[in-house]
Amino acid sequence: DAGVTQSPTHLIKTRGQQVTLRCSPKSGHDTVSWYQQALGQGPQFIFQYYEEEERQRGNFPDRFSGHQFPNYSSELNVNALLLGDSALYLCASSLLSDRPYGYTFGSGTRLTVV
Amino acid sequence: GESVGLHLPTLSVQEGDNSIINCAYSNSASDYFIWYKQESGKGPQFIIDIRSNMDKRQGQRVTVLLNKTVKHLSLQIAATQPGDSAVYFCAESPPGQGGKLIFGQGTELSVKP
Repeated sequence: DAGVTQSPTHLIKTRGQQVTLRCSPKSGHDTVSWYQQALGQGPQFIFQYYEEEERQRGNFPDRFSGHQFPNYSSELNVNALLLGDSALYLCASSLLSDRPYGYTFGSGTRLTVV
Repeated sequence: GESVGLHLPTLSVQEGDNSIINCAYSNSASDYFIWYKQESGKGPQFIIDIRSNMDKRQGQRVTVLLNKTVKHLSLQIAATQPGDSAVYFCAESPPGQGGKLIFGQGTELSVKP
């Protein structure tokens, strides 16, 4: 049984560009959360999706947006990239009825903005 | 604030010793706490959790202690092994926030063989 799958694993973008990161949740999970982890820091909550809607959002600007598809997979989009957006982006899936328990994290996408 | 600082605290121990990793959490209303282990190039991996109605919980070689009076968590690892080398994060879940996790800064554990 595959856990949380994220793609791509690594990505290099130029400042001002746009990027899309993808996440497939663990089988049986219906909720996807995204976190940003800067080097040397703990993950910070970006937002959470359930039933294709954003249900919770952290302190991130509108340049960060997301989407959840009917099959529960999710995308994170970041527009107008800044150097400070360089980080590891983590996707975590869970089952609504189990929240906040039962989170499973993916290995992340390492985004470098140059 | 949430998770500040650029330099991770480091704990270095000898193989076979016991390790204690500490964490201060921010929200006195948080009712659920988790310890995660993160190895290089990987996402956080669940180690052990505890609810706020408990003050101690034991797993295999690990124990979590919760002191709500001073908003403090600790993770004890018995007979530490080289495979335990990683960064360890505590996370709290405040009530009414849909399961959002707030992570601490993290501690890097280095185990010398």
